[in-house]
Amino acid sequence: AQSVTQPDIHITVSEGASLELRCNYSYGATPYLFWYVQSPGQGLQLLLKYFSGDTLVQGIKGFEAEFKRSQSSFNLRKPSVHWSDAAEYFCAVEGGSEKLVFGKGTKLTVNP
Amino acid sequence: DGGITQSPKYLFRKEGQNVTLSCEQNLNHDAMYWYRQDPGQGLRLIYYSQIVNDFQKGDIAEGYSVSREKKESFPLTVTSAQKNPTAFYLCASSIRGISGYTFGSGTRLTVV
Repeated sequence: AQSVTQPDIHITVSEGASLELRCNYSYGATPYLFWYVQSPGQGLQLLLKYFSGDTLVQGIKGFEAEFKRSQSSFNLRKPSVHWSDAAEYFCAVEGGSEKLVFGKGTKLTVNP
Repeated sequence: DGGITQSPKYLFRKEGQNVTLSCEQNLNHDAMYWYRQDPGQGLRLIYYSQIVNDFQKGDIAEGYSVSREKKESFPLTVTSAQKNPTAFYLCASSIRGISGYTFGSGTRLTVV
């Protein structure tokens, strides 16, 4: 069965600094991969997704993610973080069942 | 505008009472899902439905029930058999095949 690991429970960065959130997945074939963002008390919003093709995926709000098959990773990056990026981020994988399996999330705090 | 509506946003119930959470979508999506979210646990799948009049158990279905009588609606009942019902509940929908989920804004259920 597929699974997702987000190694970092909580990350703190300064506004304007770069960001990388880690995601590792477990699935035998090429997975479909997603990153979602959740503000407190709200639903999840899709940031970006990878199905096939170019391994560097661009998303909304200036985020990008890179699929690395050799490392089973799909890390999320942003060159310069804004205070409004403070939220919880979830990586998810779908492996043939049309159901998404989510990681436990990484909470991002942005210092002024 | 199309979207998913979850109601109510906050719900309080006494222990031992059944409670039904509403989820309605006007996106013409075939598949609908219910997730439970607890702090530090990520999202766990309760039930999902890929077509009207059919649904399957997810990873934590015990103590919950659903129905899918209309394409637009997928209500979740939290029964008295659910031992720890206080949580944040998220409904989502998707087109059959993978395109990512659209989430509702959630219902926070508190059982006292």
